[in-house]
Amino acid sequence: DSGVTQTPKHLITATGQRVTLRCSPRSGDLSVYWYQQSLDQGLQFLIQYYNGEERAKGNILERFSAQQFPDSHSELNLSSLELGDSALYFCASSGFTRIDTEAFFGQGTRLTVV
Amino acid sequence: DAKTTQPPSMDCAEGRAANLPCNHSTISGNEYVYWYRQIHSQGPQYIIHGLKNNETNEMASLIITEDRKSSTLILPHATLRDTAVYYCIVRAWNRDDKIIFGKGTRLHILP
Repeated sequence: DSGVTQTPKHLITATGQRVTLRCSPRSGDLSVYWYQQSLDQGLQFLIQYYNGEERAKGNILERFSAQQFPDSHSELNLSSLELGDSALYFCASSGFTRIDTEAFFGQGTRLTVV
Repeated sequence: DAKTTQPPSMDCAEGRAANLPCNHSTISGNEYVYWYRQIHSQGPQYIIHGLKNNETNEMASLIITEDRKSSTLILPHATLRDTAVYYCIVRAWNRDDKIIFGKGTRLHILP
């Protein structure tokens, strides 16, 4: 158990819809990262937040947005969904208040767009 | 883009040591080498990281060359459960450095 919790584990929705994926980081971690992994593809970095502020952006579509709340949990919002958005979405958290800065990943949300 | 180069796949016999190479010739002085693995659609799992000294933990050993341009992850006694995609990543220790995954090495442990 990495200590990072993602909900829901599975999500099936129709094209054109909007969904929200939630990530609860490890206790004390202030940095949250989001990744997308399509079938048999690599992990694509989407966006990173640190202490509520956006810190880095990857290949995140304009239809996607994210935010981090004061309690450090984060949400990834996906709108106007397309079939190609079907993928595993992972979040990770890490802390920068101690020496070890490795990121810990959740088990992912599997999104299926039909 | 990923800053590392890894072979796409490797085989290793069960019980033998698995040695996974990684090239990171453009690594900067403030960048660490991290290794993660992903077992079939699970969340990536942290294995080990290092700056310039060799490191060992309960999972693996990390050997970094003196010029820091390459490294090797060693799984001392590979088991079938070590079958996974292994990712070598370089990143600086600061709150703004995103973690970029390359294609990794798909390690097959053969019974």
